[in-house]
Amino acid sequence: DIVMTQSPDSLAVSLGERATINCKSSQSVLYSSNNKNYLAWYQQKPGQPPKLLIYWASTRESGVPDRFSGSGSGTDFILTISSLQAEDLAVYFCQQYYATPYTFGQGTTLEIK
Amino acid sequence: QVQLQQSGPGLVKPSQTLSVTCTISGDSVSSNSATWNWIRQSPSRGLEWLGRTYYRSKWFNDYAVSVKSRITMNTDTSKNQFSLHLNSVTPEDTAVYYCARVVSTGNQAFDHWGQGTLVTVSS
Repeated sequence: DIVMTQSPDSLAVSLGERATINCKSSQSVLYSSNNKNYLAWYQQKPGQPPKLLIYWASTRESGVPDRFSGSGSGTDFILTISSLQAEDLAVYFCQQYYATPYTFGQGTTLEIK
Repeated sequence: QVQLQQSGPGLVKPSQTLSVTCTISGDSVSSNSATWNWIRQSPSRGLEWLGRTYYRSKWFNDYAVSVKSRITMNTDTSKNQFSLHLNSVTPEDTAVYYCARVVSTGNQAFDHWGQGTLVTVSS
């Protein structure tokens, strides 16, 4: 199984500041035939299911604010929130869909400083 | 607009079978371009993919090794539903269970989720 490891486990950021979350996979999730990284990011608020933010490592889902961006390739990925808003307080997960079993990171809790 | 609506009991006794159903609107369980997945979430195990069912001229199921001996997924095309059945449950199976869609010809991520069903395994 591909193991997904996020860092940090929790992050406190001031409103308006940048938040950066890291995700590392135990093997590459880059599919060479199409040059796509099979990596997604989700946001989960209390009592709700995860919501898809980013797919193919860097493509924003429709309706997701452009302050959210994804980067990285191969085994190392980053989710960046450029200017933290109060509604961004949530837990964030990365997930690989390169191979089954699909696996998720343990989550990063984003808090206000 | 795709929506997934879950239903199922919230309390199951140990050794019995856990069953959760997901009713689809805005798409078809028989779609040739989607897969229909079950994922659970617990404090101890995090988010765990359990398996998927999909139709490609015939029905296919893929299950996670961790539950493969205990899991069954089936579909009801007349009701546009798919279901999860997990037998011989223990308290370790206590979790929030989600259904989710993947469009295999699209972004291939879990783009729509059910609302979640908290299932507690307890006598």
